[in-house]
Amino acid sequence: GQQLNQSPQSMFIQEGEDVSMNCTSSSIFNTWLWYKQDPGEGPVLLIALYKAGELTSNGRLTAQFGITRKDSFLNISASIPSDVGIYFCAGVAGGTSYGKLTFGQGTILTVHP
Amino acid sequence: DAEITQSPRHKITETGRQVTLACHQTWNHNNMFWYRQDLGHGLRLIHYSYGVQDTNKGEVSDGYSVSRSNTEDLPLTLESAASSQTSVYFCASSNQGYEDTQYFGPGTRLTVL
Repeated sequence: GQQLNQSPQSMFIQEGEDVSMNCTSSSIFNTWLWYKQDPGEGPVLLIALYKAGELTSNGRLTAQFGITRKDSFLNISASIPSDVGIYFCAGVAGGTSYGKLTFGQGTILTVHP
Repeated sequence: DAEITQSPRHKITETGRQVTLACHQTWNHNNMFWYRQDLGHGLRLIHYSYGVQDTNKGEVSDGYSVSRSNTEDLPLTLESAASSQTSVYFCASSNQGYEDTQYFGPGTRLTVL
């Protein structure tokens, strides 16, 4: 099946630093999504991207839908302790994959105060 | 407020037993999904439904079944629990026309001994 390769697998940063993570695929996706999961909870949608080349911001978060439709990037600026969690990319391929998300393996973010 | 709930939150069972995990949403969403989350694999789709009486197999459906008798509920049944099914299970829902925006429940941690 389709796979998303998400990197890095984990990050340890100091408060105030910027963070970048990305997701790549060998297949084309029509939609890219970024979720955050806090311990003991379900994933929460951060940003949704629907168009190749699209750049979308949500507060300190910025995500981009790659031009090739095979990748996406998430940046977090000026990290704070509450940014700690697992970040997942997810893609929707369209067609017979209507409404179905394929997830990356996740990036575990640790922010040191 | 509308929400999606899962029960139980934690379950320990024995190999070979039948187990049912409940998922209930009050958004009146057409689409409902079940995922399992395992370290290194992200979230993988088990089964999904686009409406009442509709069910479909996902990426890792073997050993699981679902039924959709009303809009609000999509119970997940493990017919004969196996140790390989020890995992955290998440239910999600989305609305027709906003299929990509899935809202996740808090998860059920299942241990099969």
